[in-house]
Amino acid sequence: AQSVSQHNHHVILSEAASLELGCNYSYGGTVNLFWYVQYPGQHLQLLLKYFSGDPLVKGIKGFEAEFIKSKFSFNLRKPSVQWSDTAEYFCAVKGGLDGYNKLIFGAGTRLAVHP
Amino acid sequence: DVKVTQSSRYLVKRTGEKVFLECVQDMDHENMFWYRQDPGLGLRLIYFSYDVKMKEKGDIPEGYSVSREKKERFSLILESASTNQTSMYLCASSLRGAAGELFFGEGSRLTVL
Repeated sequence: AQSVSQHNHHVILSEAASLELGCNYSYGGTVNLFWYVQYPGQHLQLLLKYFSGDPLVKGIKGFEAEFIKSKFSFNLRKPSVQWSDTAEYFCAVKGGLDGYNKLIFGAGTRLAVHP
Repeated sequence: DVKVTQSSRYLVKRTGEKVFLECVQDMDHENMFWYRQDPGLGLRLIYFSYDVKMKEKGDIPEGYSVSREKKERFSLILESASTNQTSMYLCASSLRGAAGELFFGEGSRLTVL
């Protein structure tokens, strides 16, 4: 069965610090990978996604993620965080090529950025 | 913008009551989903539907059922609510083949006493 592990459940950073959130998945075939973000009081929204091609994916708000197939990883990065990045971040995987878009999510990482 | 609307943001029910959670999307999406979100567990898929009157079990369907009579509406039903169903319930929709881009509603927080 597919699964997603997010190693950091809570991360606290100061503004301008660099961010890296870990995500590992288990699925041996073709995968699509995603990071979703949930800002306080808001709905979940897509941050970035990987389908194929360049393993370094750039998303909104200066976030990027790197797909490393050999490590089954898709870590999220941002060089310099802002207070407004305070949110919960979810990694998700879709295995296979069906069109149902059934995503498996990780447990989430709560990020708190202090001014 | 795609809009996914969940009719109830907060509900409080008693053990044994029947609970209906309604979700409507306005973008003609084929796929619709119900997840529950619990701290430390992330989002877990309860049921999904890929067409009217079609449904598939997700990872945690026990204690739940769903209904999709119209393309835009997907309902989650708790036949007899229990305290361990206290949770945040998230509805989402997507186009078929949209490769994982789900659009989420704001969630329905259910408390079962």
